[in-house]
Amino acid sequence: KNQVEQSPQSLIILEGKNCTLQCNYTVSPFSNLRWYKQDTGRGPVSLTIMTFSENTKSNGRYTATLDADTKQSSLHITASQLSDSASYICVVSATTGGGNKLTFGTGTQLKVEL
Amino acid sequence: EAQVTQNPRYLITVTGKKLTVTCSQNMNHEYMSWYRQDPGLGLRQIYYSMNVEVTDKGDVPEGYKVSRKEKRNFPLILESPSPNQTSLYFCASSLTADTQYFGPGTRLTVL
Repeated sequence: KNQVEQSPQSLIILEGKNCTLQCNYTVSPFSNLRWYKQDTGRGPVSLTIMTFSENTKSNGRYTATLDADTKQSSLHITASQLSDSASYICVVSATTGGGNKLTFGTGTQLKVEL
Repeated sequence: EAQVTQNPRYLITVTGKKLTVTCSQNMNHEYMSWYRQDPGLGLRQIYYSMNVEVTDKGDVPEGYKVSRKEKRNFPLILESPSPNQTSLYFCASSLTADTQYFGPGTRLTVL
Protein backbone atom coordinates (compact mmCIF):
# COMPACT_ATOMS: atom_id res chain seq x y z
CA LYS A 1 0.00 0.00 0.00
CA ASN A 2 1.32 3.43 -0.94
CA GLN A 3 2.01 5.58 2.10
CA VAL A 4 3.55 8.94 2.91
CA GLU A 5 4.66 9.68 6.45
CA GLN A 6 5.71 13.10 7.66
CA SER A 7 7.57 14.16 10.76
CA PRO A 8 7.39 15.89 13.05
CA GLN A 9 3.62 16.21 13.33
CA SER A 10 4.05 19.73 14.68
CA LEU A 11 6.89 22.12 15.28
CA ILE A 12 7.36 25.48 16.99
CA ILE A 13 10.40 27.62 16.19
CA LEU A 14 11.51 31.19 16.78
CA GLU A 15 11.49 33.69 13.98
CA GLY A 16 14.76 33.75 12.10
CA LYS A 17 15.65 30.14 12.90
CA ASN A 18 15.98 27.35 10.36
CA CYS A 19 14.03 24.11 10.39
CA THR A 20 13.78 20.87 8.46
CA LEU A 21 10.68 18.81 7.83
CA GLN A 22 10.83 15.16 6.87
CA CYS A 23 8.86 12.99 4.47
CA ASN A 24 9.26 9.23 4.06
CA TYR A 25 7.32 7.39 1.41
CA THR A 26 6.59 3.93 0.16
CA VAL A 27 5.07 4.79 -3.20
CA SER A 28 5.71 2.78 -6.29
CA PRO A 29 6.32 3.27 -9.12
CA PHE A 30 7.57 6.71 -8.19
CA SER A 31 6.84 9.60 -10.52
CA ASN A 32 7.49 12.78 -8.54
CA LEU A 33 7.33 14.35 -5.09
CA ARG A 34 5.82 17.69 -4.29
CA TRP A 35 5.75 19.88 -1.19
CA TYR A 36 2.69 22.05 -0.56
CA LYS A 37 2.17 24.89 1.91
CA GLN A 38 -1.30 25.25 3.36
CA ASP A 39 -2.16 28.38 5.30
CA THR A 40 -4.97 28.08 7.82
CA GLY A 41 -8.34 28.26 6.08
CA ARG A 42 -6.85 28.13 2.59
CA GLY A 43 -6.13 25.56 -0.08
CA PRO A 44 -2.64 24.05 -0.46
CA VAL A 45 -0.17 25.85 -2.71
CA SER A 46 2.67 24.05 -4.44
CA LEU A 47 6.21 24.95 -3.28
CA THR A 48 8.45 22.50 -5.13
CA ILE A 49 8.27 19.43 -7.33
CA MET A 50 11.05 16.90 -7.83
CA THR A 51 11.37 13.97 -10.18
CA PHE A 52 13.46 10.87 -9.69
CA SER A 53 16.65 12.40 -11.05
CA GLU A 54 16.52 15.61 -8.99
CA ASN A 55 18.24 15.81 -5.60
CA THR A 56 17.55 19.40 -4.66
CA LYS A 57 15.05 22.07 -5.61
CA SER A 58 14.82 25.56 -4.15
CA ASN A 59 12.06 28.13 -4.04
CA GLY A 60 13.28 31.20 -2.20
CA ARG A 61 13.91 30.27 1.42
CA TYR A 62 12.48 26.80 0.85
CA THR A 63 14.82 24.00 -0.24
CA ALA A 64 13.59 20.48 -0.85
CA THR A 65 15.82 17.44 -1.13
CA LEU A 66 15.05 14.00 -2.45
CA ASP A 67 16.84 10.69 -1.89
CA ALA A 68 15.06 8.27 -4.19
CA ASP A 69 17.15 5.36 -2.95
CA THR A 70 16.05 5.68 0.66
CA LYS A 71 12.68 7.14 -0.34
CA GLN A 72 13.10 10.19 1.81
CA SER A 73 12.58 13.88 1.23
CA SER A 74 13.12 16.93 3.38
CA LEU A 75 11.98 20.52 3.25
CA HIS A 76 14.40 23.01 4.75
CA ILE A 77 13.19 26.49 5.64
CA THR A 78 15.86 29.11 6.10
CA ALA A 79 15.54 32.25 8.25
CA SER A 80 11.94 31.53 9.14
CA GLN A 81 9.31 34.26 9.14
CA LEU A 82 5.97 34.54 10.88
CA SER A 83 4.30 34.02 7.51
CA ASP A 84 5.87 30.57 7.30
CA SER A 85 3.40 29.40 9.95
CA ALA A 86 1.34 26.85 8.07
CA SER A 87 0.89 23.16 7.41
CA TYR A 88 3.40 21.61 5.01
CA ILE A 89 2.18 18.64 3.05
CA CYS A 90 4.28 16.10 1.18
CA VAL A 91 2.59 14.53 -1.84
CA VAL A 92 4.04 11.64 -3.83
CA SER A 93 2.85 10.71 -7.28
CA ALA A 94 2.86 7.15 -8.61
CA THR A 95 2.60 6.26 -12.26
CA THR A 96 -0.35 3.99 -12.97
CA GLY A 97 -2.07 2.72 -16.09
CA GLY A 98 -4.87 5.23 -15.58
CA GLY A 99 -2.60 8.19 -15.00
CA ASN A 100 -0.72 9.44 -11.96
CA LYS A 101 -2.04 8.55 -8.51
CA LEU A 102 -1.34 10.95 -5.64
CA THR A 103 -0.67 9.92 -2.06
CA PHE A 104 -0.82 12.69 0.53
CA GLY A 105 1.00 12.93 3.83
CA THR A 106 -0.90 14.25 6.84
CA GLY A 107 1.32 17.31 7.04
CA THR A 108 3.62 19.02 9.52
CA GLN A 109 2.08 21.96 11.37
CA LEU A 110 4.73 24.66 11.71
CA LYS A 111 4.35 27.64 14.01
CA VAL A 112 6.88 30.47 13.92
CA GLU A 113 6.91 32.66 17.01
CA LEU A 114 8.56 35.94 17.94
CA GLU B 1 -6.69 35.91 -12.63
CA ALA B 2 -6.22 32.14 -12.86
CA GLN B 3 -8.15 30.53 -10.06
CA VAL B 4 -10.36 27.78 -8.73
CA THR B 5 -13.52 28.98 -7.03
CA GLN B 6 -15.81 27.10 -4.69
CA ASN B 7 -19.24 27.95 -3.35
CA PRO B 8 -20.36 28.12 -0.70
CA ARG B 9 -17.31 28.65 1.51
CA TYR B 10 -19.22 27.70 4.63
CA LEU B 11 -22.35 25.59 4.97
CA ILE B 12 -24.29 24.24 7.91
CA THR B 13 -27.04 21.79 7.05
CA VAL B 14 -29.05 18.95 8.53
CA THR B 15 -28.91 15.23 7.94
CA GLY B 16 -30.60 14.13 4.74
CA LYS B 17 -30.95 17.51 3.07
CA LYS B 18 -29.43 17.34 -0.40
CA LEU B 19 -26.72 19.85 -1.15
CA THR B 20 -24.33 20.80 -3.94
CA VAL B 21 -20.94 22.43 -3.64
CA THR B 22 -19.91 24.10 -6.86
CA CYS B 23 -16.39 24.24 -8.26
CA SER B 24 -15.26 26.26 -11.24
CA GLN B 25 -11.85 26.87 -12.83
CA ASN B 26 -10.83 29.38 -15.49
CA MET B 27 -7.56 27.78 -16.58
CA ASN B 28 -8.98 25.39 -19.20
CA HIS B 29 -7.70 22.46 -17.15
CA GLU B 30 -8.80 18.98 -18.12
CA TYR B 31 -8.20 17.33 -14.75
CA MET B 32 -10.37 18.21 -11.75
CA SER B 33 -10.69 16.57 -8.39
CA TRP B 34 -12.47 16.76 -5.05
CA TYR B 35 -10.83 16.13 -1.67
CA ARG B 36 -11.91 16.14 1.90
CA GLN B 37 -9.55 17.07 4.70
CA ASP B 38 -10.03 15.85 8.24
CA PRO B 39 -7.76 16.34 11.28
CA GLY B 40 -5.07 13.71 11.44
CA LEU B 41 -6.06 12.15 8.12
CA GLY B 42 -4.79 14.65 5.59
CA LEU B 43 -6.31 15.14 2.18
CA ARG B 44 -8.28 12.24 0.77
CA GLN B 45 -9.54 12.12 -2.78
CA ILE B 46 -13.29 11.70 -3.24
CA TYR B 47 -13.75 11.79 -7.02
CA TYR B 48 -11.77 12.98 -9.99
CA SER B 49 -12.38 13.76 -13.62
CA MET B 50 -9.88 13.43 -16.45
CA ASN B 51 -12.07 15.34 -18.88
CA VAL B 52 -15.66 16.26 -19.76
CA GLU B 53 -18.08 13.39 -19.12
CA VAL B 54 -15.26 11.30 -17.61
CA THR B 55 -15.35 10.81 -13.84
CA ASP B 56 -13.93 8.18 -11.53
CA LYS B 57 -13.92 7.28 -7.86
CA GLY B 58 -11.11 8.30 -5.58
CA ASP B 59 -10.33 6.80 -2.19
CA VAL B 60 -13.49 7.84 -0.31
CA PRO B 61 -16.39 8.16 -2.80
CA GLU B 62 -19.20 6.75 -0.65
CA GLY B 63 -22.03 9.22 -0.13
CA TYR B 64 -20.90 11.58 -2.88
CA LYS B 65 -21.69 12.17 -6.53
CA VAL B 66 -20.08 14.38 -9.14
CA SER B 67 -20.72 15.44 -12.70
CA ARG B 68 -18.55 16.96 -15.44
CA LYS B 69 -20.82 18.35 -18.13
CA GLU B 70 -18.55 21.29 -18.87
CA LYS B 71 -14.80 21.57 -18.72
CA ARG B 72 -14.76 24.42 -16.21
CA ASN B 73 -17.30 23.06 -13.69
CA PHE B 74 -17.13 20.06 -11.38
CA PRO B 75 -19.89 20.12 -8.74
CA LEU B 76 -19.88 17.83 -5.70
CA ILE B 77 -23.29 16.50 -4.73
CA LEU B 78 -24.30 15.04 -1.38
CA GLU B 79 -27.69 13.41 -1.95
CA SER B 80 -28.31 12.63 1.72
CA PRO B 81 -25.64 14.18 3.92
CA SER B 82 -24.74 12.57 7.21
CA PRO B 83 -22.75 13.91 10.18
CA ASN B 84 -19.67 11.88 9.17
CA GLN B 85 -19.46 14.05 6.06
CA THR B 86 -18.72 17.07 8.19
CA SER B 87 -15.36 18.13 6.83
CA LEU B 88 -13.31 20.67 4.90
CA TYR B 89 -13.67 20.12 1.17
CA PHE B 90 -11.26 21.21 -1.55
CA CYS B 91 -11.67 21.25 -5.29
CA ALA B 92 -8.53 21.17 -7.43
CA SER B 93 -7.73 21.41 -11.11
CA SER B 94 -4.68 20.82 -13.26
CA LEU B 95 -3.47 20.17 -16.77
CA THR B 96 -2.29 16.77 -15.59
CA ALA B 97 -2.96 14.93 -12.35
CA ASP B 98 0.18 16.36 -10.75
CA THR B 99 0.32 20.13 -10.81
CA GLN B 100 -2.87 20.83 -8.94
CA TYR B 101 -4.31 24.22 -8.12
CA PHE B 102 -6.58 24.11 -5.11
CA GLY B 103 -9.67 26.15 -4.41
CA PRO B 104 -10.17 28.04 -1.13
CA GLY B 105 -12.13 25.24 0.53
CA THR B 106 -15.69 24.68 1.73
CA ARG B 107 -16.28 24.00 5.38
CA LEU B 108 -19.34 21.77 5.70
CA THR B 109 -21.12 20.92 8.94
CA VAL B 110 -23.89 18.34 8.91
CA LEU B 111 -26.02 18.33 12.06
